Amino acid sequence: DTEVTQTPKHLVMGMTNKKSLKCEQHMGHRAMYWYKQKAKKPPELMFVYSYEKLSINESVPSRFSPECPNSSLLNLHLHALQPEDSALYLCASSQVPKVSGNTIYFGEGSWLTVV
Amino acid sequence: GQNIDQPTEMTATEGAIVQINCTYQTSGFNGLFWYQQHAGEAPTFLSYNVLDGLEEKGRFSSFLSRSKGYSYLLLKELQMKDSASYLCAVRDNAGNMLTFGGGTRLMVKP
Repeated sequence: DTEVTQTPKHLVMGMTNKKSLKCEQHMGHRAMYWYKQKAKKPPELMFVYSYEKLSINESVPSRFSPECPNSSLLNLHLHALQPEDSALYLCASSQVPKVSGNTIYFGEGSWLTVV
Repeated sequence: GQNIDQPTEMTATEGAIVQINCTYQTSGFNGLFWYQQHAGEAPTFLSYNVLDGLEEKGRFSSFLSRSKGYSYLLLKELQMKDSASYLCAVRDNAGNMLTFGGGTRLMVKP
């Protein structure tokens, strides 16, 4: 089973709304990631969690707030977003990062539109 | 920092072979990934190289030369469904960060 599940698949929100994106994996992976992907661009790393602790924050605005409640779940809380934040948000997971050969698996993504 | 280059677009014929190149200049290296991404979908893992040489998986093969900072993805017996973007990505030394190239959009024609 190499599945990373993301919900919702599509989300439309206003600039004053508060919403959350959710990600779940049951592969025993201890590293989880959020990426942002704009149309016709490659994914860009936002956050990395390693052993449920935030290890990398790629200078992401505070209107994006990640949370890792346990080793299987990763959330991305959204508040006061801007229209330019509209994008595909990808969750990914992998085994302990330093182990050679471990693959990073992506979920199907959540399409976010900010109006 | 990481600098990863790959061609923007390629066109090939159904049944043919195509090679997609990727060059990288990185401050650290802990493996190179190839992903396939169809329009509107998430990236799907294709292959992983951490040592020099060729990795073969069915119709797909990937090659790595660390000394040259060079990799390629080889697709054989092309099918129409292979029309997609192919993303080259390099993982840093710490193993946490995966940096993507711009992607190569492959169009397979009958």
